[in-house]
Amino acid sequence: QQQVKQSPQSLIVQKGGISIINCAYENTAFDYFPWYQQFPGKGPALLIAIRPDVSEKKEGRFTISFNKSAKQFSLHIMDSQPGDSATYFCAATMDSNYQLIWGAGTKLIIKP
Amino acid sequence: GAGVSQSPRYKVAKRGQDVALRCDPISGHVSLFWYQQALGQGPEFLTYFQNEAQLDKSGLPSDRFFAERPEGSVSTLKIQRTQQEDSAVYLCASSSTFNYEQYFGPGTRLTVT
Repeated sequence: QQQVKQSPQSLIVQKGGISIINCAYENTAFDYFPWYQQFPGKGPALLIAIRPDVSEKKEGRFTISFNKSAKQFSLHIMDSQPGDSATYFCAATMDSNYQLIWGAGTKLIIKP
Repeated sequence: GAGVSQSPRYKVAKRGQDVALRCDPISGHVSLFWYQQALGQGPEFLTYFQNEAQLDKSGLPSDRFFAERPEGSVSTLKIQRTQQEDSAVYLCASSSTFNYEQYFGPGTRLTVT
């Protein structure tokens, strides 16, 4: 019940296209859902996060869509650029426990 | 100030040696986390401090792992009698009291030979 399942494992998108990464969770007590971007040799960097009281949050080219009833959330990267090539992780946590529960990651490659 | 820093960035240890990994959190951040990240996988929680108090150490894989944060700032993760399965990147993150946003350091890559 603590798991966060992420798909796909890897994704190749043409420059200018839309990249979509999906995550699903079981624990309805989760109340904070961040996405992290990680480049090789670097630590994860917070990209965007959402709480379950909203269905969508947009920051620049990055959008989180959240479906509370389906217990799913997704990251959309619009106008994908080669510089977006990285590994993306979804995560979840709850108020009583700051421990982040992570998805397995998606390796995104944007082809020029 | 600056972001989270970790040292050393790389550590090679012979099996059975003890190692100490350091984390300098963002100044003023109350919460500090340690995670272990195996190659090609997501980070896994090890332990959590609020100031100097270790509130959760449920993720530490064995009693060979020990973490401390004696003055509520810098933290050290110590691994005794290292084993090959301890080879991983060890990530430190810190966050303020007011939200859940965790900021990560670059990690320490530990290789046990």
